[in-house]
Amino acid sequence: EVQLVQSGAEVKKPGESLKISCKCSGYSFMSFWIGWVRQMPGKGLEWMGSIYPEDSDTRYSPSLQGQVTISVDKPISTAYLQWSSLKASDTATYYCARRYGDPTILAYAFDVWGQGTVVTVSS
Amino acid sequence: SYELTQPPSVSVSPGQTASITCSGDKLGGKSACWYQQRPGQSPVLVIYQDTKRPSGIPERFSGSNSGNTATLTIGGTRAMDEADYYCQAWDSSAAAVFGTGTKVTVL
Repeated sequence: EVQLVQSGAEVKKPGESLKISCKCSGYSFMSFWIGWVRQMPGKGLEWMGSIYPEDSDTRYSPSLQGQVTISVDKPISTAYLQWSSLKASDTATYYCARRYGDPTILAYAFDVWGQGTVVTVSS
Repeated sequence: SYELTQPPSVSVSPGQTASITCSGDKLGGKSACWYQQRPGQSPVLVIYQDTKRPSGIPERFSGSNSGNTATLTIGGTRAMDEADYYCQAWDSSAAAVFGTGTKVTVL
């Protein structure tokens, strides 16, 4: 069974750093892009970026470029999303998801999602 | 940047058909997918590559995509289908774009 298991809820202060994780199992971790999706309280889904574990090729949303870093640890099949200096506006639920699809027709979807990590940033 | 627009809400009676639209420039030339998100839960893929259903998704969910509009149709709507629905596509720079989301209420 394909599973993406995320790290637990976090409560942080503005200016602190944070790294959340997404442990992947049940498939070839190297072969599928992993995406991160933000959902602010009461709002919709927003793609933040994606990473290809085999070569760590990473793409970011232009609106979030430079504000977060996406990485992987290949031996433990885990993807990460990290901040160096959190802001109150980073309060949200963050999901990781596996990208599945047909590259010959550029048709992709996020077929398996993690359970979400709630991040609260407050002084 | 590429944008996908959905109606904020759709209401439907049990057993009736609900249609949710997703509008974007030349969306019919891209591959669209749809996600269901129940309150407090992670999104679930219900339609991919415009019309395909993942295993385990009921046949009452169907999709189409042409021109500037993709449509998710829920036939014979049940109370359990009450949720938020999001369309999604990929823009020319390989960035994922989500629609604005539609809340489906089963009255």
